[in-house]
Amino acid sequence: KAGVTQTPRYLIKTRGQQVTLSCSPISGHRSVSWYQQTPGQGLQFLFEYFSETQRNKGNFPGRFSGRQFSNSRSEMNVSTLELGDSALYLCASSLDAGVGNEQFFGPGTRLTVL
Amino acid sequence: SQQGEEDPQALSIQEGENATMNCSYKTSINNLQWYRQNSGRGLVHLILIRSNEREKHSGRLRVTLDTSKKSSSLLITASRAADTASYFCATDGTALIFGKGTTLSVSS
Repeated sequence: KAGVTQTPRYLIKTRGQQVTLSCSPISGHRSVSWYQQTPGQGLQFLFEYFSETQRNKGNFPGRFSGRQFSNSRSEMNVSTLELGDSALYLCASSLDAGVGNEQFFGPGTRLTVL
Repeated sequence: SQQGEEDPQALSIQEGENATMNCSYKTSINNLQWYRQNSGRGLVHLILIRSNEREKHSGRLRVTLDTSKKSSSLLITASRAADTASYFCATDGTALIFGKGTTLSVSS
């Protein structure tokens, strides 16, 4: 079974631009979560989607948004990029919603904002 | 905000030695998970321990949980160079809440 895939793997943008990251979960998994990882703040939860609905959202500004499609693939969008948005963005999928399920992580998208 | 705090922040050992990492957390949990991350890549799930369990084994990994002390430990026995990675504990809330991690370096 293929693992979680994320595209692109690397991205360089400039301040003020917007970016869209994509995540394809493991086949059959219906829950997708997004995390931001930075050296200073560590791993922080962005949001979770299940059956095309956002179940939970972390403490991030409205510039961060996401969605999930009927095939469970998910995208996250960051608008008006700031230098502090430079991070590794990780997507994780699980069979069902909720944190009691094992989450399978993708390799991440490394975003650099100049 | 971090719920779990791993200790130590960094650990260097020789191949064949055991490595022990600790995690302390603040609020009640239903379960606690340990993940491994190799050098800025995705996380790999290692083990999940539920609040009613005290100890769990998986291969060379042994995890303990003490809910009265709000702490957990991860023991890796007979370490190998391939175990070099960052290790995170994660507790459950509305989402997984990760600690800052322990960086383990195993030299041959």
